Amino acid sequence: AQRVTQPEKLLSVFKGAPVELKCNYSYSGSPELFWYVQYSRQRLQLLLRHISRESIKGFTADLNKGETSFHLKKPFAQEEDSAMYYCALIQGAQKLVFGQGTRLTINP
Amino acid sequence: DAGITQSPRHKVTETGTPVTLRCHQTENHRYMYWYRQDPGHGLRLIHYSYGVKDTDKGEVSDGYSVSRSKTEDFLLTLESATSSQTSVYFCAISDYSGYEQYFGPGTRLTVT
Repeated sequence: AQRVTQPEKLLSVFKGAPVELKCNYSYSGSPELFWYVQYSRQRLQLLLRHISRESIKGFTADLNKGETSFHLKKPFAQEEDSAMYYCALIQGAQKLVFGQGTRLTINP
Repeated sequence: DAGITQSPRHKVTETGTPVTLRCHQTENHRYMYWYRQDPGHGLRLIHYSYGVKDTDKGEVSDGYSVSRSKTEDFLLTLESATSSQTSVYFCAISDYSGYEQYFGPGTRLTVT
């Protein structure tokens, strides 16, 4: 069965420090992976998708098929990055399978 | 925000009562989804729709039913609410072309 695992429920880093949110997946075939973010009092929204290979708000994520990982990284954290982050993969009919989520807190 | 609204936004109900949540979109997107969000579980798919009157089950569909009689509306019904259905419910939509899903503001349901 397809599964997404985010091993850290909570992650706290200082402003200016590097951030890495971990995501591992199990999927038979070529996965399509995403990071969604939910800022306080805002709707869940797409942050980035691996097929786009783009950097959004300084975040990047590289698909590593050998390690079945899709970790989200940012070299210098900012306070506005504090949010709930979800890793997800697409499963037929545009259905998303989400990980458990990681709450990121950036300390000043 | 994409044109997605959910109603009600908050509801408290008693065990055993029926509850219907509504998702309304103005984007004319084909796909609509209902998720529940619970701590430690992330978001889990309850049911989804790929067109008018076309629906299918998701990961946690037991105790829930859905209906879609119009493109713009997707209803989620709890026939007989239980305390385990206390959760935040999110509706989402997507169109043909991409994989991005657009989420509604959520409905916080408490079953006492």
